Amino acid sequence: NAGVMQNPRHLVRRRGQEARLRCSPMKGHSHVYWYRQLPEEGLKFMVYLQKENIIDESGMPKERFSAEFPKEGPSILRIQQVVRGDSAAYFCASSPLYRSTDTQYFGPGTRLTVL
Amino acid sequence: KNEVEQSPQNLTAQEGEFITINCSYSVGISALHWLQQHPGGGIVSLFMLSSGKKKHGRLIATINIQEKHSSLHITASHPRDSAVYICAVVETSGSRLTFGEGTQLTVNP
Repeated sequence: NAGVMQNPRHLVRRRGQEARLRCSPMKGHSHVYWYRQLPEEGLKFMVYLQKENIIDESGMPKERFSAEFPKEGPSILRIQQVVRGDSAAYFCASSPLYRSTDTQYFGPGTRLTVL
Repeated sequence: KNEVEQSPQNLTAQEGEFITINCSYSVGISALHWLQQHPGGGIVSLFMLSSGKKKHGRLIATINIQEKHSSLHITASHPRDSAVYICAVVETSGSRLTFGEGTQLTVNP
């Protein structure tokens, strides 16, 4: 059973371009969480999704950021018109069910660098 | 003030020492997680606690719900334990993880 997969592992974009980060949860997991880790800072929650539904997006910046988890395929975190402040490591995690006592399994992260 | 506070921020130990990392939180929670982030950046979930104590190998995690405090202990520490250890809570009001700032542990041979 493969773990959580994220791609690309490293992504370089110029200011104003779009960044698309992909997350494939563990097999059988229908809950996906996205977190951001800015340089020298702790992890911060961004969004929680179930298949085809956004459950909690209270951590997402209001503009330029969006997330989806379609019925088929990976979850996508999309950042439009990237700025230097978007440079960070973006982690996704998955769990099989939503219960607060469920372990979340983390992917290896995507390191976004904005030039 | 952060909702989740960890101490110490940095910890250096000699191989074999007993290590304790503390986590205090100020909100009502349904669960607390301890995570390990390796130097390469990958994150591994070590424990999930809602009460009591759990042990896995040389790692022990405890939680006191009344005092809103958790500790992570490492017995017989080893250089391969060097990593950032992160405490995270699930608030009773929601589904998201709220993270502490992490404790950078360095174990010297």
